[in-house]
Amino acid sequence: KAGVTQTPRYLIKTRGQQVTLSCSPISGHRSVSWYQQTPGQGLQFLFEYFSETQRNKGNFPGRFSGRQFSNSRSEMNVSTLELGDSALYLCASGGGYNEQFFGPGTRLTVL
Amino acid sequence: GENVEQHPSTLSVQEGDSAVIKCTYSDSASNYFPWYKQELGKRPQLIIDIRSNVGEKKDQRIAVTLNKTAKHFSLHITETQPEDSAVYFCAASRLGGNTGKLIFGQGTTLQVKP
Repeated sequence: KAGVTQTPRYLIKTRGQQVTLSCSPISGHRSVSWYQQTPGQGLQFLFEYFSETQRNKGNFPGRFSGRQFSNSRSEMNVSTLELGDSALYLCASGGGYNEQFFGPGTRLTVL
Repeated sequence: GENVEQHPSTLSVQEGDSAVIKCTYSDSASNYFPWYKQELGKRPQLIIDIRSNVGEKKDQRIAVTLNKTAKHFSLHITETQPEDSAVYFCAASRLGGNTGKLIFGQGTTLQVKP
């Protein structure tokens, strides 16, 4: 089985812009979770989608949003980018046995 | 709120020695505890996990123990090797509809000196 894939791998944006990141889970997995990883805050949960519905949400502002499509692929969107949004954004794919498998991440730099 | 504390933040051992990383969780409803290893520039990889109905689980040189009463769980690596050098993260979640919501510890940077 192919692993979790994320696109793009690297992004450079300027403050005020918006960005969309994509995640394709492992075939057959219906859950996709998103995390933000920074040196200062570590790994923080953003939200989880399951069968096209947001099932859980972390403590991030409304500028962070997501969605999931019928093929389980998920996108997350960050609007009105701030310098502090610079981070590695990881998605995780979850199947029937509760394990979460991570993608390679998208490195977002906000200038 | 939900929180996971992880210690130590850095750990340096000689090759062949054992390493222990400890975590404490705050949400008493947590019942699933995975451990991830993240090498520099790579994705976190699941190395072992434990559910709350089990007190200990072992996989070759890696073992995890869980004390539900104290809300502690630990990772034990025996006979460490240089390739064990990485950042290790503990996490906690609830099985079922909340498994996708992992609350992570701050990470432990393990250095194994040859």
